[in-house]
Amino acid sequence: AQTVTQSQPEMSVQEAETVTLSCTYDTSENNYYLFWYKQPPSRQMILVIRQEAYKQQNATENRFSVNFQKAAKSFSLKISDSQLGDTAMYFCAFIEYGNKLVFGAGTILRVKS
Amino acid sequence: SQTIHQWPATLVQPVGSPLSLECTVEGTSNPNLYWYRQAAGRGLQLLFYSVGIGQISSEVPQNLSASRPQDRQFILSSKKLLLSDSGFYLCAWSVRQSDTQYFGPGTRLTVL
Repeated sequence: AQTVTQSQPEMSVQEAETVTLSCTYDTSENNYYLFWYKQPPSRQMILVIRQEAYKQQNATENRFSVNFQKAAKSFSLKISDSQLGDTAMYFCAFIEYGNKLVFGAGTILRVKS
Repeated sequence: SQTIHQWPATLVQPVGSPLSLECTVEGTSNPNLYWYRQAAGRGLQLLFYSVGIGQISSEVPQNLSASRPQDRQFILSSKKLLLSDSGFYLCAWSVRQSDTQYFGPGTRLTVL
């Protein structure tokens, strides 16, 4: 069964510092996509970053980057130079070909000034 | 560019009343469409998805139903709301079934 585990229910970081959110997943497939979504207090789900499993290079989007370890089934999100606007719930998710998007339980991130 | 709309943004309904939530997508054709529900402080639960007009797949048996009367319109309905239907409802779209999903702003439903 497909599962996504986010082991950190809550995290805090000081403004301008770096924080890493953890995510592990379970799949027997070789081709799939991984995502990090951000849900701010407005509750809209916003795509932060996406990684194709067949790509070895880690995805990067401005201050957001991932550490994708396929063999370990690990997909962590690193946020550099944290900003107050990064305060949100972050969801890790993945989808296999022909299957459904599976979400983790989420990590609440609080950026402190 | 593509945009996704949901309305209403907020809804308060009495138990036993009907429900109709609407989702529309602009800027793309034949999208895959999805309805999710999120309880407070929790993850997302997939309710329905559609790969084309009139094609609906249900993931969770319940008193909700979905319809897709037009290519870019997805409607979530209920004939009689229950207290347990309260939550945050999100609509999403994707180009293909196993591709990135983009979410609408959501509808906050409170059943009293």
